[in-house]
Amino acid sequence: QVQLQESGPGLVKPSETLSLTCTVSGGSFSTYYWSWVRQPPGKGLEWIGNIYDSVTTNYNPSLKSRVTISVDMTKNQFSLKLTSMTAADTAMYYCARDYIIGGMDVWGQGTTVTVSS
Amino acid sequence: QSVLTQPPSASGTPGQRVTISCSGSTSNIGSNSVNWYQQLPGTAPKLLIYSNNQRPSGVPDRFSGSKSGTSASLAISGLQSEDEADYYCAAWDDSLLGPVFGGGTQLTVL
Repeated sequence: QVQLQESGPGLVKPSETLSLTCTVSGGSFSTYYWSWVRQPPGKGLEWIGNIYDSVTTNYNPSLKSRVTISVDMTKNQFSLKLTSMTAADTAMYYCARDYIIGGMDVWGQGTTVTVSS
Repeated sequence: QSVLTQPPSASGTPGQRVTISCSGSTSNIGSNSVNWYQQLPGTAPKLLIYSNNQRPSGVPDRFSGSKSGTSASLAISGLQSEDEADYYCAAWDDSLLGPVFGGGTQLTVL
C-alpha cells in the first residue's frame, strides 16, 4: 500500500522560499507522475505542478515563475520549492500520485503552511 | 475563480438520491475524462470516481459518474450521513497542460 507523507516548515516569512518534501513509501516510485496540490483555508483545490521520470515537469502557469519540483530517487522523495511567498500562498499543501487522466489516487495527509512575519 | 463550475452546496435526506453538476469547456471536460474527489472534514481528498464513471476499489456503487459534452455529474444514491463532505470535480485541461478543479460542492445530509 503506497503512502505519502509531506514534511516541511509550517511557518514561512513573506518573500522567503517554501521547501516541502513528500516521502513515498510502500510502492514503486518510478513510472508515475507525482503532483503537488494546495488548498487555501476554506477554499478549493489548486494544482501546483507535477514531475515524471525525475526530469519531466509541468507547472500551473499561474505559479510557473516561482515553482520548482524535483525528485530524489535514492530517497523515494519529491520536493516542492515555491519562492517569493506571500499571504496568498497560505494553504494546506498536499502531495499526490497522479495518473493524469485517471486522477490522483493516493494523497498525503497534507501539511499546513502559513505565511506570516 | 475555478475553471470548472460546480454548485457551492447541495443537500438531501438519508436514502435520497442527489446529483452534483460540473460544467467546463472544450479544452477540459469536452476533451478529457472527469474525476471526482470526496473530501471529508479535516482530511485529504479521496479519489471517488475516475475516467468519468469508474469507481476505485472500495468505493460503494452508490456513487456514480457520467459525462456529456462539456458537463459531468456525480450521483449519490441511498444517501447516508457519512456522505456529508465536499465534492470536487477535476479534468485535464489541454490549454493549462494540467488538471483543473471545480470550486467544490458542500453536501449536507439533512
